[in-house]
Amino acid sequence: EAQVTQNPRYLITVTGKKLTVTCSQNMNHEYMSWYRQDPGLGLRQIYYSMNVEVTDKGDVPEGYKVSRKEKRNFPLILESPSPNQTSLYFCASSLSQGARNEQFFGPGTRLTVL
Amino acid sequence: AQSVAQPEDQVNVAEGNPLTVKCTYSVSGNPYLFWYVQYPNRGLQFLLKYITGDNLVKGSYGFEAEFNKSQTSFHLKKPSALVSDSALYFCAVRRSARQLTFGSGTQLTVLP
Repeated sequence: EAQVTQNPRYLITVTGKKLTVTCSQNMNHEYMSWYRQDPGLGLRQIYYSMNVEVTDKGDVPEGYKVSRKEKRNFPLILESPSPNQTSLYFCASSLSQGARNEQFFGPGTRLTVL
Repeated sequence: AQSVAQPEDQVNVAEGNPLTVKCTYSVSGNPYLFWYVQYPNRGLQFLLKYITGDNLVKGSYGFEAEFNKSQTSFHLKKPSALVSDSALYFCAVRRSARQLTFGSGTQLTVLP
C-alpha cells in the first residue's frame, strides 16, 4: 500500500530534550515536506526537500532541523524543544515539483513539550 | 505574495442539502489550487486540484470545485451532503514551484 508513515504518533517530552520524528514514504517520491498544524493557522511549512541531500527552509524553520540522506526518509529533528513547538506535525510527499502535484500526507505526530 | 483565505471557520448543512465551502486566493501568475480534507485523527487527503483547463473540477467522493478567475475564488461544492462528509477542509494555493500556502481550514458539519 502506498503510504507515508510517521513515528511516533504521540509524544510527550520536556523542554530541551532532543527528539526525532521519523517520516518514510514508499512511493519513490522526490519531494518531501514537513508541516505543523495549529488551530486557526492551517498548515505551515517547516522544511521541504526536492530530492536527496537537497533541503530548504519553509515558513517556520526556527528550532527544527531535517536531513535527506535517502529518498524514502525525511526525519524532523528538534535539538532543544520548547513549549511553543507543541503542535500537530505532518510529513508529506509528492512527485517532483511539489507545488504542482498533490501531496500525500502521513497520519500526523502530536507533540507536547512540557 | 500568494495567499489563500477561507472566510468561514465553520459550515453547517443538513444531510441531503448542497454544500459549499468557500476559498479565495491571491497569487501572481497562473494559480494552482487544491482542496484537501482532514478527518479526525487522520492526515490530510487530496480531494481535487485545478491546474489549467475546465473551470469545473471534479474530485473524490462526489466533490467538485469551480475556479472563477474574475472573483479569484475556488469554492468546494457537493450537490448532496452526507453525514460522513463532516471533516476539516483546507484550500491551498501554489506559492512557488516548490511550496503551497494553506488556508486556515473550514470545519464542515453535516447534520442528520
